[in-house]
Amino acid sequence: AQSVSQHNHHVILSEAASLELGCNYSYGGTVNLFWYVQYPGQHLQLLLKYFSGDPLVKGIKGFEAEFIKSKFSFNLRKPSVQWSDTAEYFCAVNGNFGNEKLTFGTGTRLTIIP
Amino acid sequence: EADIYQTPRYLVIGTGKKITLECSQTMGHDKMYWYQQDPGMELHLIHYSYGVNSTEKGDLSSESTVSRIRTEHFPLTLESARPSHTSQYLCASSELTAGGGTDTQYFGPGTRLTVL
Repeated sequence: AQSVSQHNHHVILSEAASLELGCNYSYGGTVNLFWYVQYPGQHLQLLLKYFSGDPLVKGIKGFEAEFIKSKFSFNLRKPSVQWSDTAEYFCAVNGNFGNEKLTFGTGTRLTIIP
Repeated sequence: EADIYQTPRYLVIGTGKKITLECSQTMGHDKMYWYQQDPGMELHLIHYSYGVNSTEKGDLSSESTVSRIRTEHFPLTLESARPSHTSQYLCASSELTAGGGTDTQYFGPGTRLTVL
């Protein structure tokens, strides 16, 4: 069965610091990878996704993630965070066959101190 | 901006009551999902549907039931609510991307249920 691990449960950074949130997955096949973000009081929103092609994926609000197949990782990065990035971030994976269910990690709570 | 709606947003109810959580989407998506999420935990899939008259149980066992009579509507029902059902319930929908690839799920705002 597929699984997703997010090792950082709560990350606290100052504004302008660089961010990297870890995501490792376990799946025996070709995968699709996602990062979702949930701002306080708002919906879960798609931040970025990887289906195929360039392993460095750029998303909204200056976020990017790199798929490293050999490490089964899909870490999220941002060079300079802002207070408005305070949110919960979820990594998710499913198989590349169209009907496979999405498996989520436990989430990382990011708090940015002004 | 995804158009997927859930009502109510918050519900506090007594043990033994029957409740229905509503979920509607206006995007014409065939696939819809219900997730359960407890604080600090991952989302667990409890039900999904591939289209009208299609419903399947997800990875996490749930005493709730769902129906899909119309494409845009995917309600979740608890016949007799218990304190163990206290959680946040998230609805999502998706469609297959072009070429039969995978899908991106769009989420509603969630219903936070408290059963006393």
